[in-house]
Amino acid sequence: TQLLEQSPQFLSIQEGENLTVYCNSSSVFSSLQWYRQEPGEGPVLLVTVVTGGEVKKLKRLTFQFGDARKDSSLHITAAQPGDTGLYLCAGDNNAGNMLTFGGGTRLMVKP
Amino acid sequence: NAGVTQTPKFQVLKTGQSMTLQCAQDMNHEYMSWYRQDPGMGLRLIHYSVGAGITDQGEVPNGYNVSRSTTEDFPLRLLSAAPSQTSVYFCASRDRGASQETQYFGPGTRLLVL
Repeated sequence: TQLLEQSPQFLSIQEGENLTVYCNSSSVFSSLQWYRQEPGEGPVLLVTVVTGGEVKKLKRLTFQFGDARKDSSLHITAAQPGDTGLYLCAGDNNAGNMLTFGGGTRLMVKP
Repeated sequence: NAGVTQTPKFQVLKTGQSMTLQCAQDMNHEYMSWYRQDPGMGLRLIHYSVGAGITDQGEVPNGYNVSRSTTEDFPLRLLSAAPSQTSVYFCASRDRGASQETQYFGPGTRLLVL
């Protein structure tokens, strides 16, 4: 079974601060995705990283895929209250039929 | 397009009761899947289907049945509900030939089994 561990599980910060969320595994994934989920809703895809060492930016969010394609990080610069939510990473197996999700990081950004 | 729809939004069952969670998509996606979400465990794949008439087991299939008679619908059946099946259930769909990048999730069904 492929496992993805996310850290931290909970994060409460003030508006304007920077933060990094980590997603680690001992398994290699063909791609890795980051989702954001709001209460009462399904996850919404933020980004997919495919190549080892790849860095993608989405406004104030920076996503990185580890060189060995086993880990990933999400960095948020100058966090805003609108960034509050549950962030999930998910690794794709080589067959493309299954996503393995991490346990999630619950972020709260206080104004 | 309505995207992925799920009904009901909430359901309370007694142990041993049966029920069907409905999922429908209007995007003509071939690939559909069911996940359950429990606190601290992310989402876990229950069953998936790569097209009408084809289903397969995911990571946690025990206690659940699925069928795929049409492209649009992918119901999830609990034949004899147990408290361990208390969870939030999400249905998702995407084009079979596309990457996971185009996967869409429904709004979820919150199930409580007493």
